[in-house]
Amino acid sequence: QVQLQESGPGLVKPSETLSLTCSVSGGSISSGSYYWGWIRQPPGKGLEWIGIIHYSGTTYYNPSLKSRITIFADTSKNQFSLKLSSVTAADTAVYYCVRRSPSGGNMDVWGKGTTVTVSS
Amino acid sequence: DIQMTQSPSSLSASVGDRVTITCRASQSISTYLNWYQQKPGKAPKLLIYTASTLQSGVPSRFSGSGSGTDFTLTISSLQPEDFATYYCQQSSITPDTFGQGTKLEIK
Repeated sequence: QVQLQESGPGLVKPSETLSLTCSVSGGSISSGSYYWGWIRQPPGKGLEWIGIIHYSGTTYYNPSLKSRITIFADTSKNQFSLKLSSVTAADTAVYYCVRRSPSGGNMDVWGKGTTVTVSS
Repeated sequence: DIQMTQSPSSLSASVGDRVTITCRASQSISTYLNWYQQKPGKAPKLLIYTASTLQSGVPSRFSGSGSGTDFTLTISSLQPEDFATYYCQQSSITPDTFGQGTKLEIK
């Protein structure tokens, strides 16, 4: 059974870069046609899709964040990562890593989420 | 981006009630519509994918229907553990987008 676990700093200063890693267990990010991605949820608000990556390197980003985000995969470590630059308080959120089905596009596996606060 | 509009935004119901939540897309998304349940402090959980397919392990009281722009999630007989927030998500065209959520509360 595939499991995902987010890791990274819980506090980031404004204008700096947020970096998170998702470790995958119980399966390989290099197998199959799944995409792996990131979703975030600001406090008390709804869900926002950030972007996804296939192990081959193909990525899709949310245009609203595209200029600031990079998602990359490390198949040797069975991990994928998110970098979000020039953060502001508006980037404060719970960040989830997910597995996205290649057929229906549904996100069938979620990490527990990690809270990132942007504050000086 | 495709806009997803859920209604109602909140709903009060009793155990045993039949409940329907609707989701409307700003353009046709065929059946690329998924439903999630989220409880406080927890990650969302996939309930229904491609509009009407029940995710493994999800109780059969949950069902989904629709295609094109209009979709529904129905809970046939509410159980205490069903009180949560529900989100729809379109996966037809990236960026995927979510509805604003429907908070289902106990009456």
